[in-house]
This record gives sequence, C-alpha cells and structure tokens, in this order.
Amino acid sequence: GQQLNQSPQSMFIQEGEDVSMNCTSSSIFNTWLWYKQDPGEGPVLLIALYKAGELTSNGRLTAQFGITRKDSFLNISASIPSDVGIYFCAGQLRGGSEKLVFGKGTKLTVNP
Amino acid sequence: EAGVVQSPRYKIIEKKQPVAFWCNPISGHNTLYWYRQNLGQGPELLIRYENEEAVDDSQLPKDRFSAERLKGVDSTLKIQPAELGDSAVYLCASSSAYGYTFGSGTRLTVV
Repeated sequence: GQQLNQSPQSMFIQEGEDVSMNCTSSSIFNTWLWYKQDPGEGPVLLIALYKAGELTSNGRLTAQFGITRKDSFLNISASIPSDVGIYFCAGQLRGGSEKLVFGKGTKLTVNP
Repeated sequence: EAGVVQSPRYKIIEKKQPVAFWCNPISGHNTLYWYRQNLGQGPELLIRYENEEAVDDSQLPKDRFSAERLKGVDSTLKIQPAELGDSAVYLCASSSAYGYTFGSGTRLTVV
C-alpha cells in the first residue's frame, strides 16, 4: 500500500533546542497532517495543511506543505520536556473523511 | 464534549481465542474508522464506515476479522480466531467536517 517516508526515525535533543522532521511520498497528497502520540494514547492532531506551499504555525510548532505536494516538514522551536513523544505525518489523497496514510513516526526525546 | 471512547484498554488472550473491541464515537460524527497500529509503525486503516455502511474495508483480513456498526453509532471489531501476529494497538477514530479524533486504543496481546 501507500507509504510515507518519515525521517529521522528518532531524535535525542537538549531542552531549548530546535527540532526538524520531514515526510516524503511518491504520491501526491492534497492534505498533510502532523500528529503527536503519547504512550498509551491515540494520535492527537497538531497541524493540518490543505494547500501546496502553505506554512502554518501552532505555538512553537511550524509545518509546511511542500510545493510538489509530495512532502511536508514539521519544526519545533525551543523544545521543552513535554514535547517528548512520537510524531507522525499523515496524508490524504483527496481529503474529507478519506483514510489517513501515516508515516512510521519520529520518536523525540528531550533531555532537561 | 466526550472524546472517542474505546474499551477495553488492554486485552491479553491466548491464540485461537476470539476477542472483541468496542468503540463509541463522538456524537454526531457520521464517519467511523478502525485502524491497527503495530509496534514501531504508524496506524493503518482496517475499515471505514459512513453511518452504518462499510465504505472501505479493503485492508480488513476478512477470514478472521469482522466489524459492525449497527444504527450508525457504536461499533465493534472482532477477531476470531486470534493469531500471534494480531498483537497490536487497535485504534478507533471518528470524523466530522472539522477533522479526525482518535480514541486511546485497545492494546491487544496474543500469547
């Protein structure tokens, strides 16, 4: 099936550092989303992107929808300990109630 | 507003036994999804319902998995018989025009 290639697989950073992760696909997606998953919980939506080239911020998080519609990145600025978790990118071919195709996740560890 | 409610949170069963998971979506959400998340992977869709109709079940292993959404509200996902490879987290989600909401999942361990 379709897959999203997410990198890096894991990151170990110091509190206060900035973080960047990205996601690529061989297919065009019309919606890109970024989720965070804490242990024992379901994914929680962080940012949704609906237009190619769109740059959207949510507090310390910034995400961009690639101009080719085949990639997206997520930046976290000034990381804090509660940023620890697994971050997933997800795409939808068309949008709406269609299924989400997920990447394999980036596990973030923040050292105080 | 209550979120997507799933039960049980954890289940440990022996292989070849049956198991069932239950999901109560957010009120008013017509679309309901079951995803499976293997260890170290992202979730993958098993089945999607629009009201009580299954509109995408292409990834559901129909020889042992079944699902239903009677009356277009709650849903159950069943595995019979379970295999060792079915160990995973089973996530339910529901959606409206404003996006998806996932439940906390059921962690299934087959021994």
